[in-house]
Amino acid sequence: TQLLEQSPQFLSIQEGENLTVYCNSSSVFSSLQWYRQEPGEGPVLLVTVVTGGEVKKLKRLTFQFGDARKDSSLHITAAQPGDTGLYLCAGLPSSRLTFGEGTQLTVNP
Amino acid sequence: NAGVTQTPKFQVLKTGQSMTLQCAQDMNHEYMSWYRQDPGMGLRLIHYSVGAGITDQGEVPNGYNVSRSTTEDFPLRLLSAAPSQTSVYFCASRRGESQPQHFGDGTRLSIL
Repeated sequence: TQLLEQSPQFLSIQEGENLTVYCNSSSVFSSLQWYRQEPGEGPVLLVTVVTGGEVKKLKRLTFQFGDARKDSSLHITAAQPGDTGLYLCAGLPSSRLTFGEGTQLTVNP
Repeated sequence: NAGVTQTPKFQVLKTGQSMTLQCAQDMNHEYMSWYRQDPGMGLRLIHYSVGAGITDQGEVPNGYNVSRSTTEDFPLRLLSAAPSQTSVYFCASRRGESQPQHFGDGTRLSIL
């Protein structure tokens, strides 16, 4: 059983559409991180959220940490083909950084 | 600044063979980890270390050993390779517990 559940697992959309990816858990996390991974490479950190209810924006990407620090979401506005990749959330229940299964996003031109 | 360096990038083994995946970082990070990535399974933690001389098990440690004799290096040993260990292996490091994780480019391992 995954400690962090991501949904959807796969998402294929057209350029210009908006989308939201979810990361949920029954556990409380001291912080949650979001990574993006491209084929043949390791994941690269996008953002870390620490405070319950926190919202962070990175250009067209908006990250939110749930009030209870058990869940997080990633919203992309006006998706572009360059946003294609595997999006992973990761949390720290302890020293062990634990990852969700990932959401594979494909943005079609 | 090379970051996290993994070698080899690709490897094919026969069942029962042993090998060591190398990982080195030049950022003086205390925390280092090994993950395996399989389709539909995300990244699963194999072993991790919070400093030289300290290692601990992750979610899927069976069949793997690690050691951390220096801050820079964190090798992963497969004792007797099995087809179920076919995967992409990522090494990662970070400065502290809640700090950003830096990943290597991965080692693609196939066991026949």
